[in-house]
Amino acid sequence: EVQLVQSGAEVKKPGESLKISCKDSGYSLSNHWIGWVRQIPGKGLEWMGTIYLAGSDIMYSPSVQGQVTISVDKSVSTAYLHWSSLKASDTAMYFCASAVHGNCYFDHWGQGTLVTVSS
Amino acid sequence: QSALTQPASVSGSPGQSITISCTGTTSDFSSYNCVSWFQQHPGKAPKLMIYDVSNRPSGISDRFSGSKSGNTASLTISGLQAEDEADYYCNSYTRSTAPHYVFGTGTKVTVL
Repeated sequence: EVQLVQSGAEVKKPGESLKISCKDSGYSLSNHWIGWVRQIPGKGLEWMGTIYLAGSDIMYSPSVQGQVTISVDKSVSTAYLHWSSLKASDTAMYFCASAVHGNCYFDHWGQGTLVTVSS
Repeated sequence: QSALTQPASVSGSPGQSITISCTGTTSDFSSYNCVSWFQQHPGKAPKLMIYDVSNRPSGISDRFSGSKSGNTASLTISGLQAEDEADYYCNSYTRSTAPHYVFGTGTKVTVL
């Protein structure tokens, strides 16, 4: 059974860097895509990007392209979302979700990581 | 890529049926079956309720059903129950030259 476990809540200042993680604590996700989804407090879900764990394919939403970097460490079945310079507008809950390669839906979700960016 | 359009809110009494619409604007949305629906309770992660337009994952009640006609997908909840009160989001995947996912604007379901 896939079980996605995300890293804990973060409080950062504008301009700081941050990398949050999403690890499968069940079995290997080698045949899965991992997506990152942003939810600003009180707002809807926004797809940010998706990475294929068995390869190097990455898709980014145009709204975040260049603003974040999605990566993966296959050896530990973990995906990452990285900011080099945070902004106050990055304050949100971030969810990771997995999709089996060949499917077009996210069937398992992490618990979410709350990122707060404030001076 | 524009978000899919959903009504902001839908309400119904216990036992009634409600339908949430999800309208897309691209030819991919109307041509392919990559539409899924998620339920989200406050403070919780989204939960997959319907995939590939009309399929239910294991463990999801058959009170939830999905369909699509043209550029509009729909989620119907029959026999509405108090625990169905939540936010619902549709999602589609486009297999174009720039493949991507897009979520709907979200619908708040209230059980009266």
